[in-house]
Amino acid sequence: SYVLTQPPSVSVAPGQTARITCGGNKIENKNVYWYQQRPGQAPVLVIYYSTDRPSGIPDRFSGSNSGNTATLTISRLEAGDEADYYCQVWDGDSDNCVFGSGTQVTVL
Amino acid sequence: QVTLRESGPALVRPTQTLTLTCTFSGFSLTTSGVCVSWVRQPPGKALEWLARIDWDDDKTYNTSLKTRLTISMDTSKNQVVLRMTNMDHVDTGTYFCARTSYDIVSGSYTFLDFWGQGALVTVSS
Repeated sequence: SYVLTQPPSVSVAPGQTARITCGGNKIENKNVYWYQQRPGQAPVLVIYYSTDRPSGIPDRFSGSNSGNTATLTISRLEAGDEADYYCQVWDGDSDNCVFGSGTQVTVL
Repeated sequence: QVTLRESGPALVRPTQTLTLTCTFSGFSLTTSGVCVSWVRQPPGKALEWLARIDWDDDKTYNTSLKTRLTISMDTSKNQVVLRMTNMDHVDTGTYFCARTSYDIVSGSYTFLDFWGQGALVTVSS
């Protein structure tokens, strides 16, 4: 089965840039989706097709995907960005949806 | 306006069967490319996808859990039902349903764009 690897946590000062990685075998060949989940809430889609932003998501959120790593970048970090972030892909072999282990973003 | 809402028992005994219902509005599960997934999250842990049902009634299950899962839909009621048999303490968590999209042009599943608020299920004797 396809495995996605994320760092458990990232801590960044407000106003700086947070980068969250998502590792997977040849992930560049897949579309990657990113979700933000605040405590006690449902996940919210923040990036789709690896680089696109849904309407209503600030342009401070951006995505990239190359080689074996996809990255979610949050620029000009704000206190409200504190949350868990999950990457997601579809495993073509099993037709299963796969989530990464999640990364907790802390604004120092 | 798209909404989804999960409902079901908050407490389930070990070995029992869990039945959860997802009631949705703002979209139709008979529209090509529209699907609904179930996702769960144990307390303090990561999201885990469980199952998906498609507009054409095609069903796909998490490979590791497929023997315990059954997903079905009632399009007249705008509902999707998930059944999970032989519940255990490790199945305790929040269960979400989410609208899922299939890109007909590329022939691939894509994002889970609208989620319910989740239903907390505790497995305990």
